[in-house]
Amino acid sequence: DQQVKQNSPSLSVQEGRISILNCDYTNSMFDYFLWYKKYPAEGPTFLISISSIKDKNEDGRFTVFLNKSAKHLSLHIVPSQPGDSAVYFCAALSSGNTPLVFGKGTRLSVIA
Amino acid sequence: SQTIHQWPATLVQPVGSPLSLECTVEGTSNPNLYWYRQAAGRGLQLLFYSVGIGQISSEVPQNLSASRPQDRQFILSSKKLLLSDSGFYLCAWRGGTSGAGELFFGEGSRLTVL
Repeated sequence: DQQVKQNSPSLSVQEGRISILNCDYTNSMFDYFLWYKKYPAEGPTFLISISSIKDKNEDGRFTVFLNKSAKHLSLHIVPSQPGDSAVYFCAALSSGNTPLVFGKGTRLSVIA
Repeated sequence: SQTIHQWPATLVQPVGSPLSLECTVEGTSNPNLYWYRQAAGRGLQLLFYSVGIGQISSEVPQNLSASRPQDRQFILSSKKLLLSDSGFYLCAWRGGTSGAGELFFGEGSRLTVL
C-alpha cells in the first residue's frame, strides 16, 4: 500500500509557464514533507520542504503548498526553465527516527 | 562539510554472482544511513536503514542484505544476484538527531544483472 502517491508519471510544460506537481498521502502521522529533484544517473537532491504546521513554503521559483485536510501537497515552479526538466519525488516523514517515504516520482519536461 | 560517497558507480554482473556496494559518509558522526533502489519505471524504494553500528532494519524481503561495520560505513550485499536486482542503488544519510528529515544522497550505483 503506497503511503505517498504521485499519480502523474509525467508532465510537460512550456518554458516560462507554471509547473504544478502533485502529491497525495494517506498516513495522517506524516508531519514533514519534502521534494527532491533527480537528474538521470545522479542521486536526488533536496529542493524544498514544509512542516505540517504550515500551509505554504516559498524558496525562489519554488513554492510548496500543503492541504492537510485533503492530505495533498503540491510543488509549483514558476517560471519553469529547461533546466528544471528532471524527475521530482515527493517524500513524507513522521516524527522520530523514521525513514522518509517516497512517491514514485513525476518526470517534468520543460519545453523551450 | 559532510560528504557521502558510494562505489562502484557502475557494475555489470552475471546472474548468480555476489554483490558488494559500499557507502561512506564523512564530516558527521552517528548518522542514520539508508539504501534505496530506483528500478526502471519505479520510484525510490527503501531497502535498508540503520540508526547505528550493527543495527539494520530491512524494509523489503529479498536476496539483499546490509551491514554497518563502522559508524560511517554502510554496505549492501548479495550472495547471488537475480535479474530483478538490476537498478540504480542510492545510499543516503540523515543526521541522527535531526528533526528536519532532510536526506542527503550519494551519486548512485547503477547495477545491471545479465
